[in-house]
Order: sequence, then C-alpha cells, then structure tokens
Amino acid sequence: EAGVVQSPRYKIIEKKQPVAFWCNPISGHNTLYWYLQNLGQGPELLIRYENEEAVDDSQLPKDRFSAERLKGVDSTLKIQPAELGDSAVYLCASSNLAGGTDTQYFGPGTRLTVL
Amino acid sequence: AQSVAQPEDQVNVAEGNPLTVKCTYSVSGNPYLFWYVQYPNRGLQFLLKYITGDNLVKGSYGFEAEFNKSQTSFHLKKPSALVSDSALYFCAVRDNTGGFKTIFGAGTRLFVKA
Repeated sequence: EAGVVQSPRYKIIEKKQPVAFWCNPISGHNTLYWYLQNLGQGPELLIRYENEEAVDDSQLPKDRFSAERLKGVDSTLKIQPAELGDSAVYLCASSNLAGGTDTQYFGPGTRLTVL
Repeated sequence: AQSVAQPEDQVNVAEGNPLTVKCTYSVSGNPYLFWYVQYPNRGLQFLLKYITGDNLVKGSYGFEAEFNKSQTSFHLKKPSALVSDSALYFCAVRDNTGGFKTIFGAGTRLFVKA
C-alpha cells in the first residue's frame, strides 16, 4: 500500500512569492492533516480535514495561508505571500478516524526555504 | 489543555545497552498516547500507541512503552539499542474525551554509539 505522497520535496523561493504544496493521502483515509515543523521541534497542526470539511483550522494564519481538499482526497496548502519566517518543513499526514484511534501516517514533508 | 513534555533533548547510549526516552503528558480526560520516530529528511513513522488495556505496549523494531497513569508518563524503551536506532523520537498525546487534536512533544534525539 502506498504511503502519503507529498510534492515537491524541496522548494526555494524569494520572500513575497507564492508557493503551493500538494498531498495525496493513503487510500481510504478520510482525515488529512497539515503540520508545520520547525527545526528541532515537534509538528504543529495547521489544519485538519474530515473529508472535504476543514474541522480545525484555528492555527492556520489565514491572512497568508490557505488550504483546500477538493473531493475529499488530495489537498493543497498555499502561502501567499511567503515570509522569511515561513521557512520550515510542511508535513502532511492522514488517518482513518473511523477506526477511532487516530494513528496518523506522515508523508516525507516539503522543506521550504524563503530567501 | 493538553500538553506533552520530553525532558531530554538528547539521549546517548552504547549499542547493546537498554535505552529509555522519557515522556510525560497532561490531558483533562483519558489519553491516547503515541510514539513516532523521524529519520533525517523523512516524515514521522509510527512506532506504537496506548489506547487502553495493558500498560506495557509493544511496537515496531523491538520498541515498547509503559503507560503509568499515576505519574502521567509514557516512556519509550528498548532492551538492546542498535546504532540504526539513532534518530529523533516524538511523543504525542490526544485527549479521547471529544477533541481530536494531537499534541506532539519537542522531540528527543537518540544517539547510539557503536
């Protein structure tokens, strides 16, 4: 079974430019998460989807960040415009909450560098 | 509010010796507890979880963890460390009384010396 797929793996942009990350979750997983991971720290939730619905976006900086999960499968996270402080690893994870235990499976992440 | 603490930034152990990576947590209800491992330039990989039942949980790669409710701890252990166990380890907690937010610790770097 294929795992969580993310692209690109690495992205270097200049500040004020837009950037987008893509995630394809494990087949059948209805819950999708986007996390931010700064160097030497644990992941911090940005947004959680149940199917198409964003059920927790309280930590998403909505002035510059946006996300969508059309058709309840793939998801895209966008930053516009990017700032220097956005340099981090962006992780996508998926789980099947119907199973009740929320074991999350992570993709390899996208490492963003903003110059 | 939920929280999780990993008091050691780094743990050093010799190959073949037992290892322990510590984790303590705080939740208002009963916890779901998880351990994940992260290798360089990789995402987090699930190791094991505690939901209910036996306090000693066995997971992948020979790891186990002991849930201690009175001490609110969930320490990760392995009887005999391997050099290949060197990685970053994250403890995570979720309150199972209604919210579904999982909180991750800051991570502990394990270094196993040959």
